Amino acid sequence: DTEVTQTPKHLVMGMTNKKSLKCEQHMGHRAMYWYKQKAKKPPELMFVYSYEKLSINESVPSRFSPECPNSSLLNLHLHALQPEDSALYLCASSQVGGITDTQYFGPGTRLTVL
Amino acid sequence: RKEVEQDPGPFNVPEGATVAFNCTYSNSASQSFFWYRQDCRKEPKLLMSVYSSGNEDGRFTAQLNRASQYISLLIRDSKLSDSATYLCGVPSGAGSYQLTFGKGTKLSVIP
Repeated sequence: DTEVTQTPKHLVMGMTNKKSLKCEQHMGHRAMYWYKQKAKKPPELMFVYSYEKLSINESVPSRFSPECPNSSLLNLHLHALQPEDSALYLCASSQVGGITDTQYFGPGTRLTVL
Repeated sequence: RKEVEQDPGPFNVPEGATVAFNCTYSNSASQSFFWYRQDCRKEPKLLMSVYSSGNEDGRFTAQLNRASQYISLLIRDSKLSDSATYLCGVPSGAGSYQLTFGKGTKLSVIP
C-alpha cells in the first residue's frame, strides 16, 4: 500500500472556482513532487520541492500554485482552471540525494474542469 | 533522440509467455533507472530500480546497457495480473530527482 496519500480522490470544479489538492507522506522524505497525467500519456513533472523549498517549476501556468507547509505536506492550489487542465494529478515523494532516490506515488486526484 | 523512448506496444501475450520491453534514453549521465507499472486509472507503482548492470526480482529481470543507452524489462511466465502499462523512468535533470517517463508500453496477458 502506498504511504503517500492524496485528497480528494475526485474533484469537479468550474473555471471560476478555487480549490486545493492535498498530499501527505510519512516516510521522512525531503523531496515532494506534483505531476500531471492525461489519459494514455506518461506523467509530466510540474513542480519539485526539496527541503520545503521550490526547486523546479516546469513552466507551469500561474493558475497552479504549489505550497509546501512542512516536510510532510504538499498542496496544489487551483484557480481559474481551463477544461484542458482536466487530468490525474499525482503527488510523489523521495529521499533527497544519493543514487537510491526512488519516487513513490500517491493514488492521485482525478480533476475535471467544467 | 527523445529523452526516453519505449516500445510502442501494445503487447498481447498468452499466459506463461516471456515478454521483453526496451527503453532507450538520451542522458548518458543518468545513474539510476526505474520501471513502474501502472494499472488503468491508478498511480504508477515501482516495479524495479536499476543502478548497475541489472536487477532480478522473481519473474522480473531488468537489464542495463550503458554503451547503447537502453534498459530492458523481461517478464517470465506471464500472469493475467501482469496486464498493465509499464513506464520507464530516467533521471534527466541536474539533480537525480528530475524523472522523465517514457510513454509506456501496454501489456495484455490473455488466457
